[in-house]
Amino acid sequence: EIVMAQSPATLSVSPGERATLSCRASQFVGSNLAWYQQKPGQAPRLLIYGASTRATGIPARFNGSGSGTEFTLTISSLQSEDFAVYYCQQYNNWPPLDFGQGTKLEIK
Amino acid sequence: EVQLVQSGAEMRKPGESLKISCKGSGYRFTTYWIGWVRQMPGKGLEWMGIIYPGDSDTRYSPSVQGQVTISADKSINTAYLQWSSLKASDTAMYYCARLGDHGDMKFDSWGQGTLVTVSS
Repeated sequence: EIVMAQSPATLSVSPGERATLSCRASQFVGSNLAWYQQKPGQAPRLLIYGASTRATGIPARFNGSGSGTEFTLTISSLQSEDFAVYYCQQYNNWPPLDFGQGTKLEIK
Repeated sequence: EVQLVQSGAEMRKPGESLKISCKGSGYRFTTYWIGWVRQMPGKGLEWMGIIYPGDSDTRYSPSVQGQVTISADKSINTAYLQWSSLKASDTAMYYCARLGDHGDMKFDSWGQGTLVTVSS
């Protein structure tokens, strides 16, 4: 099992500011890391895969970086629709396909 | 357009059986893995298992192995998640999701979710 640890659990940021979310893997996962966004009452949505590639239709303000065991999702100039829960997921040696516990991004 | 449409919400009693479904469209169903993801009330996402409809190759998370069965009927582009004896702790939202091709195993399209409530 690969443990995916996300931090912080909750992040309070004002609209228009930048948010930085972290994800750490307990083992090497290369660039096989995805980020998802989940809004209340909705299914998750793929944001980033391959650690840094935006999925189709994802705005340029969402950026992923990192490799190996340390990853970051940066959202520049937060919009109201960006406040949600964000999950990372590794898919290096599958299965398993472990998710992190999530970071809740809330309005400050 | 890739679409995954799941069956509707279910309510069962402990000990009862249940089978929920996920119908894929807009892509070649047999050549992409389909996964099931559990989300307990107020909690995060938990991978349960995956199936390759082309040959029914199935892999389970150790946390659910033996507790559920994942299957697929490629003739109707549908994947299933079933329980033979539900517990109250199975109460959750269940999502199916398609995984990327060529071993690129991110969940790139999601169903709308099926809420399963188990209560006496």
